[in-house]
Amino acid sequence: NAGVTQTPKFQVLKTGQSMTLQCAQDMNHNSMYWYRQDPGMGLRLIYYSASEGTTDKGEVPNGYNVSRLNKREFSLRLESAAPSQTSVYFCASRAANTEAFFGQGTRLTVV
Amino acid sequence: AQRVTQPEKLLSVFKGAPVELKCNYSYSGSPELFWYVQYSRQRLQLLLRHISRESIKGFTADLNKGETSFHLKKPFAQEEDSAMYYCALKGQGAQKLVFGQGTRLTINP
Repeated sequence: NAGVTQTPKFQVLKTGQSMTLQCAQDMNHNSMYWYRQDPGMGLRLIYYSASEGTTDKGEVPNGYNVSRLNKREFSLRLESAAPSQTSVYFCASRAANTEAFFGQGTRLTVV
Repeated sequence: AQRVTQPEKLLSVFKGAPVELKCNYSYSGSPELFWYVQYSRQRLQLLLRHISRESIKGFTADLNKGETSFHLKKPFAQEEDSAMYYCALKGQGAQKLVFGQGTRLTINP
């Protein structure tokens, strides 16, 4: 019973490098989300996908892109990483009228 | 626009004392409100939601539409309640789920 799985768990990038954070869920949920967690800022929504084939901007989308590859997978891409993107990233999924289930997080450091 | 505000970043109380974590929201439609909790080294998980009107681990929360609040309360705090608590809002029928800034609750022995 994996739930929501994020890879990698940790990553260090140099400024300007690109990378993709992967998220997969095995609960057949329609909606998926990407958040970043920063001290004092709480959880801020980057992008979300209400269903396969759709994506929408959240509160802090600048510098990020997403792909809803299929119902299971929702990836977050940083094209040119910046130190301001140092954060802990969480993926979540939910079905209609249910709670959101979270991944274990990806700790990203941009130097 | 959806907005959730948790005015206290840190809250510290003694074991056995009452606890209240504040949550205020801004939303023009009908909101669905949630409290999520993150214990040390664990994933964020749902604590309770307003539509179920239940008590979980002794916590309750009542949606006050007049004051646009959804404060989390517990009459007698326990040490295992120490954690990070997030209030969250989703519009009814919508999928966008936004969170507040979080409150770190510490229960002192």
